[in-house]
Amino acid sequence: SVLTQPPSASGTPGQRVTISCSGSSSNIGSNTVNWYQQLPGTAPKLLIYNNNQRPSGVPDRFSGSKSGTSASLAIGGLQSEDEADYYCSAWDDSLNGPVFGGGTKVTVL
Amino acid sequence: EVQLLESGGGLVQAGGPLRLSCAASGLTFNNHGMSWVRQAPGKGLDWVAEISGSGGTTYYADSVKGRFTISRDNSKNTLHLQMNSLRAEDTALYYCAKGNIYDWRVFDVWGQGTTVTVSS
Repeated sequence: SVLTQPPSASGTPGQRVTISCSGSSSNIGSNTVNWYQQLPGTAPKLLIYNNNQRPSGVPDRFSGSKSGTSASLAIGGLQSEDEADYYCSAWDDSLNGPVFGGGTKVTVL
Repeated sequence: EVQLLESGGGLVQAGGPLRLSCAASGLTFNNHGMSWVRQAPGKGLDWVAEISGSGGTTYYADSVKGRFTISRDNSKNTLHLQMNSLRAEDTALYYCAKGNIYDWRVFDVWGQGTTVTVSS
């Protein structure tokens, strides 16, 4: 994948978990980052857009940030229903299209 | 509520064609860019193609350029993906995704997907 994410992350209920997304100057470095949540067996859902904006209905325990060519998603106060795959995405100026990270599977221990 | 319902998936031989459709409801369809995003079994998300609200502009991933054609019928609120010269690596769950009205690159509503299997 063009964007690099850790394959897995975990935490106990109530803990804070952070997922990183690393890119380059042609994608994260010059464009905004979006995050998608994919619960098991379901379609992806927009979680964060424009680096740190939450769509209506997304709990405020989810937050996004970006610095340089990297971005991160934080889940504060982890809950069992947060077990899912999380994908970062950004437009890539060189490829002239959106690119995704490989996804991070979050497990609640 | 915005809903997207894909159809047209199935089993096809390598080299063959297949046409996917996505019926949209609950929105002013021609206000939104629409995309197809696919997910191979056990893999991540892979953007395929996008079409502007008017249908006048299209973008394609390099992996499908020249083989796939995205189109839309705004009178019927329907999006299509014509796939030709299919390859085994095109096997995936294909999602229809609605672009945010301010930035089509933000996919704010997704369908449930339709499965395409290419046999070699």
